[in-house]
Parts: sequence; structure tokens; C-alpha cells
Amino acid sequence: EIVLTQSPGTLSLSPGEGATLSCRASQSVRSNYLAWYQQKPGQAPRLLINRASSRATGVPDRFSGSGSGTDFTLTISRLEPEDFAVYFCQQYGDSRTFGQGTKVEI
Amino acid sequence: QVQLQESGPGLVKPSQTLSLTCSVSGASVNSIAYYWTWIRQPAGKGLEWIGHTHISGDSNYNPSLQSRVTISADTSNNQFSLRLTSVTAADTAVYYCAAGRDFWPYWGQGTLVIVSS
Repeated sequence: EIVLTQSPGTLSLSPGEGATLSCRASQSVRSNYLAWYQQKPGQAPRLLINRASSRATGVPDRFSGSGSGTDFTLTISRLEPEDFAVYFCQQYGDSRTFGQGTKVEI
Repeated sequence: QVQLQESGPGLVKPSQTLSLTCSVSGASVNSIAYYWTWIRQPAGKGLEWIGHTHISGDSNYNPSLQSRVTISADTSNNQFSLRLTSVTAADTAVYYCAAGRDFWPYWGQGTLVIVSS
């Protein structure tokens, strides 16, 4: 099983600042099959990114994904108030597993 | 736009079977485009993929749950279901149904299932 480790656990930032979230895999993720989700309290996760860097339909371009192999990054260029949430990475190169999440808080 | 809605008991006794249904609108469970998936999330914790089924007959489960899980599709009612046997308190979670293939653009709102006597 591929274990995904996200860091930091919590990121304290202000609106307008940039955010960099990390997702590290215990082994190389085949074909960079990695997705990112955003989850707000009481809501289902929302798909942001697939295949490491491809934005899902309707996702603002302030969200970008990068990385390959075992190291992946989600970058939010300028935080809007609605971006404060928990973010999960998920790999689908070998079965499907999630990271434990990074909380982006004000 | 695919819409999903979970339904089922919110309370299950230990050792019994958890059964949930996901009603699908905006797509057919006969569609080859989607793998019909269940994911769960214990309170305050991360997400766990439970498994999926596909109209081709391809069903695949999380190895940690495989011995207890069945996911199946009901084409006549455009639904799919989850059965999880021999539940314990560790199975208490919000259960989501989702549609996609390897990742999931479409999710239900989630339903809380508590395992308790």
C-alpha cells in the first residue's frame, strides 16, 4: 500500500497570502496518478486537481498542482476567504489511498 | 451533472451488517464512464476508500476491508449499495458514495453511521 504523508498538518495564513501544501508518497506514484481535494466542515470533498497538475472543471486558476514520483505540491497563489479548509491528496496509481490532510486556517 | 444521495440506517449494532444505498441521478449505473464508489471518514479524521463496482463486473475493494465488504449495483432502480458485515465501533464514520473512475468529481453529501449497542 502506498502511504501518503501530508505536511504541514496545519497552515496558519491570512487572506491574500500564498499556501504551499506537500504530499509525499512512500513509493513512486505510477504515472503521477495523484489528485487533490478540498473539504469544508460538514461537506463532502471537492476534487481540485487530478494527474498531479490538471485542474478539475470550475476550479479557479489560483490552485495549481505540481510534482512527480514521490513528491507532490498543491499551491494556492492568493488565499481567498473560501479557501480556508482541509486539503487531502489521493493516489490512484496502486489501489487508492489518501493522505491524512492539511488544514489551512486563518 | 451526476447527483448522488446516500440512505440507510444511522445506527447499527456491533457484529451486525451495515447496509447503505446510493441513489444516482444524472447518469445511469449502466454507464461505462463511472466506477460507483464508497468512501468513509471517521469523525475528525481522514478519508478511506472502501471500494467500487462497475457495470463491467469489475469490483475492487480496500484490502483491509475486503473480507467484509460487498458493493453492488441495482440497475432497475439506478442505485448502488454497500454491505459491510461484522461491524465494530471502528466502522463508525460518515459514509460517502462517489462517482468517477480513479478519482471522484461527484460525491453524495454523506451519511453518518454509528456502531453502538
